[in-house]
Amino acid sequence: DTGVSQDPRHKITKRGQNVTFRCDPISEHNRLYWYRQTLGQGPEFLTYFQNEAQLEKSRLLSDRFSAERPKGSFSTLEIQRTEQGDSAMYLCASSLAKDMNTEAFFGQGTRLTVV
Amino acid sequence: GNSVTQMEGPVTLSEEAFLTINCTYTATGYPSLFWYVQYPGEGLQLLLKATKADDKGSNKGFEATYRKETTSFHLEKGSVQVSDSAVYFCALPISSGSARQLTFGSGTQLTVLP
Repeated sequence: DTGVSQDPRHKITKRGQNVTFRCDPISEHNRLYWYRQTLGQGPEFLTYFQNEAQLEKSRLLSDRFSAERPKGSFSTLEIQRTEQGDSAMYLCASSLAKDMNTEAFFGQGTRLTVV
Repeated sequence: GNSVTQMEGPVTLSEEAFLTINCTYTATGYPSLFWYVQYPGEGLQLLLKATKADDKGSNKGFEATYRKETTSFHLEKGSVQVSDSAVYFCALPISSGSARQLTFGSGTQLTVLP
């Protein structure tokens, strides 16, 4: 297992279309996070799973956004009726809930451009 | 929740120069502190971490010391290389709860010239 994998790396879509991104975490990691990063900013937390349960959602996650992790392994993030403001890098991270000091490992991200 | 304030960039240095990127934090308790690096077009990679006060994290010639007295975690490198050109982010957990999601600084763009 070489790390967190995200697909696709890049996505260009027209405003109003739906998009779905996939994240495959490091296999033994039970925690999975989604972040959004806009140009020139640090990543902002969107949502978090422990195994298959979605335990926390940020206020940034509007009702057009939905995330799933059906079997506690890979996760998907769907954005419905995309808007130009959704253009960003979407980052997935995973970690092992072993202790309080375990770091998160990030994927390479999916860059979304809404035209 | 916890927060972090990071020195704004961009920072441009010549090769072999000394680097400092400032980071100060506000936190309840003593959470772990992290520096992440992001190369152009890539995701974030963990550069180093420190888990308790006075700990020094180090990796690839970079160092940062967890200073409780000054609530700081400044990143330093004695001699930068062109390959160190990237964006550097200071981070810590948003809260001391179990979720462990991170809050990040706004990033500091470093450019090293040959």
